[in-house]
Amino acid sequence: GAGVSQSPSNKVTEKGKDVELRCDPISGHTALYWYRQSLGQGLEFLIYFQGNSAPDKSGLPSDRFSAERTGGSVSTLTIQRTQQEDSAVYLCASSSGRGNRNEQFFGPGTRLTVL
Amino acid sequence: KQEVTQIPAALSVPEGENLVLNCSFTDSAIYNLQWFRQDPGKGLTSLLLIQSSQREQTSGRLNASLDKSSGRSTLYIAASQPGDSATYLCAVPKAAGNKLTFGGGTRVLVKP
Repeated sequence: GAGVSQSPSNKVTEKGKDVELRCDPISGHTALYWYRQSLGQGLEFLIYFQGNSAPDKSGLPSDRFSAERTGGSVSTLTIQRTQQEDSAVYLCASSSGRGNRNEQFFGPGTRLTVL
Repeated sequence: KQEVTQIPAALSVPEGENLVLNCSFTDSAIYNLQWFRQDPGKGLTSLLLIQSSQREQTSGRLNASLDKSSGRSTLYIAASQPGDSATYLCAVPKAAGNKLTFGGGTRVLVKP
């Protein structure tokens, strides 16, 4: 079956602009995660959605970052007034949220470059 | 706060040699441990998941062990091939469905 997909694969923007990154999780997966991978910081958690529960936003680095998940499926990560330090690869993952494995499956990522 | 460490950061071996990759974590209260592979410019591919109650998990040439009490996991790759060249990451969640805390990865080069 189809895996996690993300779009766009690459995004170049100017400092100060807003960007939206999209994630389509594996069909039927109730849990969705956003992570960021940058050269100096490694892989870090941003936000997590599980079903209809309130999202865990504890990893968002500033209030310029927000995310929503519509209809329990597709998620959009929005970065407002982008800064150069936002340049990174943004990875989305999903898991079934059931059973005792909770294995997370990752998409190919969106590479964001802020000029 | 959970901290995950992978040593060495980089490893180069000749083809055919067995690979041993190490992962250590500071808080033994983990739900499971996942090993991932990442190729340059790509996302993460899940290789193995070990439940906290398990000691070992195998898939083909890959074998992962877990010693939760000492905060260690080891990924063994038998008879390495050039196609095994990639970065390998380990990650742990505190509870079911929790965010993953990642190690910094080990970059592996298998020379033909």
